[in-house]
Amino acid sequence: AQTVTQSQPEMSVQEAETVTLSCTYDTSENNYYLFWYKQPPSRQMILVIRQEAYKQQNATENRFSVNFQKAAKSFSLKISDSQLGDTAMYFCAFMKHEGYSTLTFGKGTMLLVSP
Amino acid sequence: EAGVTQSPTHLIKTRGQQATLRCSPISGHTSVYWYQQALGLGLQFLLWYDEGEERNRGNFPPRFSGRQFPNYSSELNVNALELEDSALYLCASSLGLRANQPQHFGDGTRLSIL
Repeated sequence: AQTVTQSQPEMSVQEAETVTLSCTYDTSENNYYLFWYKQPPSRQMILVIRQEAYKQQNATENRFSVNFQKAAKSFSLKISDSQLGDTAMYFCAFMKHEGYSTLTFGKGTMLLVSP
Repeated sequence: EAGVTQSPTHLIKTRGQQATLRCSPISGHTSVYWYQQALGLGLQFLLWYDEGEERNRGNFPPRFSGRQFPNYSSELNVNALELEDSALYLCASSLGLRANQPQHFGDGTRLSIL
């Protein structure tokens, strides 16, 4: 079974600064996907960024980028130029590449962006 | 394009009762997923339906059940409600079985057990 660990229950950052959220996972699979989801106070979960394990290049989406270290089973999210709207719970998630696989989530990191 | 819609927004029940939660996926999506988000526990996978069939089930007792209708909408039924069933229940949909199809989430149903 896969496990996802987010060791930072809460983090805070000031507007315009950069913050990195940590995520580690445990799996015996070689092919899989990793995701970061964002859940603002309004509750709807939104996909932020996705990484395919067989791709060495780190995924980037505007101000969001990941540092994917496959050997270390680490998948951190970097948010540059933080904005007030980035305040949310951030979940790291894992999914196997094949079969009837489902998302396994970490417990989340609450990020507070302050003026 | 309409997103994933869930109803009701809030549901209050007492112990032993039964609850029914509903989900309508994004148009064209055939897969529907149910998750339980209890305080401090993150999201736990409950059920996955695709093309009317149950494809996978999380580690939950049989009193959690569901179904998917021909129009791909889905119901989650929870029987013999217990206090620990109090949680936000999230529904998500995706284009199908392939893992590279992202899941899109609804706003959730807040189930409170008194």
